[in-house]
Amino acid sequence: GQNIDQPTEMTATEGAIVQINCTYQTSGFNGLFWYQQHAGEAPTFLSYNVLDGLEEKGRFSSFLSRSKGYSYLLLKELQMKDSASYLCAVKEGNTPLVFGKGTRLSVIA
Amino acid sequence: EPEVTQTPSHQVTQMGQEVILRCVPISNHLYFYWYRQILGQKVEFLVSFYNNEISEKSEIFDDQFSVERPDGSNFTLKIRSTKLEDSAMYFCASAGLASTDTQYFGPGTRLTVL
Repeated sequence: GQNIDQPTEMTATEGAIVQINCTYQTSGFNGLFWYQQHAGEAPTFLSYNVLDGLEEKGRFSSFLSRSKGYSYLLLKELQMKDSASYLCAVKEGNTPLVFGKGTRLSVIA
Repeated sequence: EPEVTQTPSHQVTQMGQEVILRCVPISNHLYFYWYRQILGQKVEFLVSFYNNEISEKSEIFDDQFSVERPDGSNFTLKIRSTKLEDSAMYFCASAGLASTDTQYFGPGTRLTVL
C-alpha cells in the first residue's frame, strides 16, 4: 500500500515562490502526479514525474527523487488564483491513483 | 480541448433510493475511473474499467455499486440503495492508451443523501 504525506496548509504572498512537499512510501512506483483542486471543483492535472529530476511547465515545476520517496511542487510568481488545494497522487504498478490529503494553499496580498 | 463531462452536477436523493451518475469520458480514451471525495477529505478510488469490464475496485465499491458502459460513450455509476454516508462528490476520470497515462477528471456530481 501507499502512505502519502503532505502539509495540510500553507500561506504565501502574491508574487512569491512556494514549495509544496510530498513524501510517499510505496512498492512498484509507477509515477507521481500533482493536481490542483479549487474548492468544489474537480482535480485538474498539473504535472507528472516518473523519473528523477525536475519537470518545468511555465510557473509550475515538479521534482521527484525516487530513492527518497520525495517530490515537491514549486509555484513561482504566485497569483491570487493559485489559492487552491494541491494534491499529490502516486501510481503503484497499474493500480489507480492514490491521493494524499492535499495541501491547501492560501495566497495573500 | 476535449474534456470529461458529468451529469447531473447535483443530485439530492432519499436514503434507500437508487441513483445513477453519468459520465462521458474523453472520446479516444480507453481507461475509465470513478472516485469520490467526502467533504473535507481526500479523493478516494472506487473502481476502474477497461475493455468493458471492471479492472480493479476498492473496498468502498461494495455490492451496492455497479458500473456500466452502455453505449460506447457513456460511463455510469449506479448506487442501488443509497446511504447517508454515500453523500460526497463523485468524480469520473478517463485516461488514454495506457493505464499509466494521465487521468483527466470530470467536474463531478455532488450527491446528497437525506
